[in-house]
Amino acid sequence: DAGVIQSPRHEVTEMGQEVTLRCKPISGHDYLFWYRQTMMRGLELLIYFNNNVPIDDSGMPEDRFSAKMPNASFSTLKIQPSEPRDSAVYFCASSRSTGQNTEAFFGQGTRLTVV
Amino acid sequence: AQSVSQHNHHVILSEAASLELGCNYSYGGTVNLFWYVQYPGQHLQLLLKYFSGDPLVKGIKGFEAEFIKSKFSFNLRKPSVQWSDTAEYFCAVNAWTGRRALTFGSGTRLQVQP
Repeated sequence: DAGVIQSPRHEVTEMGQEVTLRCKPISGHDYLFWYRQTMMRGLELLIYFNNNVPIDDSGMPEDRFSAKMPNASFSTLKIQPSEPRDSAVYFCASSRSTGQNTEAFFGQGTRLTVV
Repeated sequence: AQSVSQHNHHVILSEAASLELGCNYSYGGTVNLFWYVQYPGQHLQLLLKYFSGDPLVKGIKGFEAEFIKSKFSFNLRKPSVQWSDTAEYFCAVNAWTGRRALTFGSGTRLQVQP
């Protein structure tokens, strides 16, 4: 399996622009997570889906952030408009609901820089 | 809600030294516990995990961790570190019931000097 695939790997954008991050989870996994990593706040959960349905979006910073999962093999995280404080590495992860095994597999991340 | 504390933020060791990184969690129920490693510029990779059974868990690359329920701890150990172990290490937890997502500690940056 190719693992969790994220694109782009790096994104530099100007403040106010719309940014879309993409994620393809591991085939067969029914949970998908979006995390954000910064020096100040570490790894924060933004939102997660189960069977394409958002379960917990309490970590989404504000209305500028939105996430969708139109099907089992694709998810997007959109920031509109972007701000410099959104600069971070955004990780997507997926897992499969096999009993109590909650191991998550992470993608390579998207390094976002908003200037 | 769950929380995870990693008290060592930055650890510097010489090669062949022994390593122990602390991890304490806060949650009253049954939990799954994990250690992930992030090498510079890379994504998180699983080192080891504990779900149930033997509280001493062995992972990849010679790492192990011990779950001590009475202390709410899951410390990571390695008897002899190598330069290639230089990375950031994250402890994570999630409860058997409730939120599926992992809650991560703030991470410990390990620097191994040759």
